[in-house]
Amino acid sequence: QKEVEQNSGPLSVPEGAIASLNCTYSDRGSQSFFWYRQYSGKSPELIMFIYSNGDKEDGRFTAQLNKASQYVSLLIRDSQPSDSATYLCAVPSSGNTPLVFGKGTRLSVIA
Amino acid sequence: DVKVTQSSRYLVKRTGEKVFLECVQDMDHENMFWYRQDPGLGLRLIYFSYDVKMKEKGDIPEGYSVSREKKERFSLILESASTNQTSMYLCASSLPGTLLYGYTFGSGTRLTVV
Repeated sequence: QKEVEQNSGPLSVPEGAIASLNCTYSDRGSQSFFWYRQYSGKSPELIMFIYSNGDKEDGRFTAQLNKASQYVSLLIRDSQPSDSATYLCAVPSSGNTPLVFGKGTRLSVIA
Repeated sequence: DVKVTQSSRYLVKRTGEKVFLECVQDMDHENMFWYRQDPGLGLRLIYFSYDVKMKEKGDIPEGYSVSREKKERFSLILESASTNQTSMYLCASSLPGTLLYGYTFGSGTRLTVV
């Protein structure tokens, strides 16, 4: 059974700062990684997907993957109060198998 | 826009009742999933399906069953509801190959069993 670990937080950052969220995974064979954002009382929504080592940028979001060290990070630049949510990291076991989710990190952006 | 619809946003049921949670997707996705989410425990997989009339047990199938008679619909059944099944239930769907596509989630059903 794959394991995906995240610091539960809460992680508090001031508005305008960079928020850094981390995720480690147990299976060295994992190939792709997903970041979901979940607002309180809402369902998760996909915000980033990364497949290759290195960085992937989408607007204020950057996903960083280091397969050798088995971690994936999500950076949020210029954090806004609207970014306050729980961020879930997810990894598929293989090509078409269910995602395994971390328990999520709660981010609080303070105005 | 891609859509996964769960029939109820909130449900209150009595212990021992048979409960049906419905999920419909309009994206022609092959894969459908049911998770429950509880504070401190995260998302836990109950059942999933890769095709019509096909089902696979997830990590916590006890007390649940599923039905997939049509591609677009995946139902979760609580055979005899118990208070420990009070939870947020999330349905999701995806194209084949979660390696590349990830999930689209429904809005969730918050079930309370009293």
